[in-house]
Amino acid sequence: QKEVEQDPGPLSVPEGAIVSLNCTYSNSAFQYFMWYRQYSRKGPELLMYTYSSGNKEDGRFTAQVDKSSKYISLFIRDSQPSDSATYLCAMQRGSTLGRLYFGRGTQLTVWP
Amino acid sequence: EAGVAQSPRYKIIEKRQSVAFWCNPISGHATLYWYQQILGQGPKLLIQFQNNGVVDDSQLPKDRFSAERLKGVDSTLKIQPAKLEDSAVYLCASSLGLRDTDTQYFGPGTRLTVL
Repeated sequence: QKEVEQDPGPLSVPEGAIVSLNCTYSNSAFQYFMWYRQYSRKGPELLMYTYSSGNKEDGRFTAQVDKSSKYISLFIRDSQPSDSATYLCAMQRGSTLGRLYFGRGTQLTVWP
Repeated sequence: EAGVAQSPRYKIIEKRQSVAFWCNPISGHATLYWYQQILGQGPKLLIQFQNNGVVDDSQLPKDRFSAERLKGVDSTLKIQPAKLEDSAVYLCASSLGLRDTDTQYFGPGTRLTVL
């Protein structure tokens, strides 16, 4: 079993839709949770960063962490064609070193 | 602020050949990471440097992969000899290095194809 599981999709939605992306994990030592966005032929860029359980909102993006269920989500409201990319969840133990544990990514297409 | 620079962007080699990738991190960033991203998978950490010292190389296949970070700035990742399964994008990332949880900034990657 991989430490971080993420449905690769692909996910295709119309412009303006609400998008829900999810990851599950098995290691209870993870304390920091991130969502990265990766455009084709580019490196990942950090979108959202959350510590422990709870919600965090930034514009059209909301990140949720439920440590009791080992489940994290990213919601995108009013999705735009420019949101079309691969979304990677990532996690860190925080106590030792800086290694990020990534999910395999979900490919999202938002069509006009 | 300039981002993480990597070169070359693309490389095609035959199996058993050697190859080297170069990374220049964001100025002032003490921590440098090399990740391997195989098609359809998330990045996997190969090695982490703090300044010019190795912090974590537990997932680096040391029989064929090597990396160095001389003078605590630029870094080079080498594969010798390459295998078919080394085909991947090699991502370099850097962070301030003040805390383990500092944001990691990624370069565009080097796409390696081994034939």
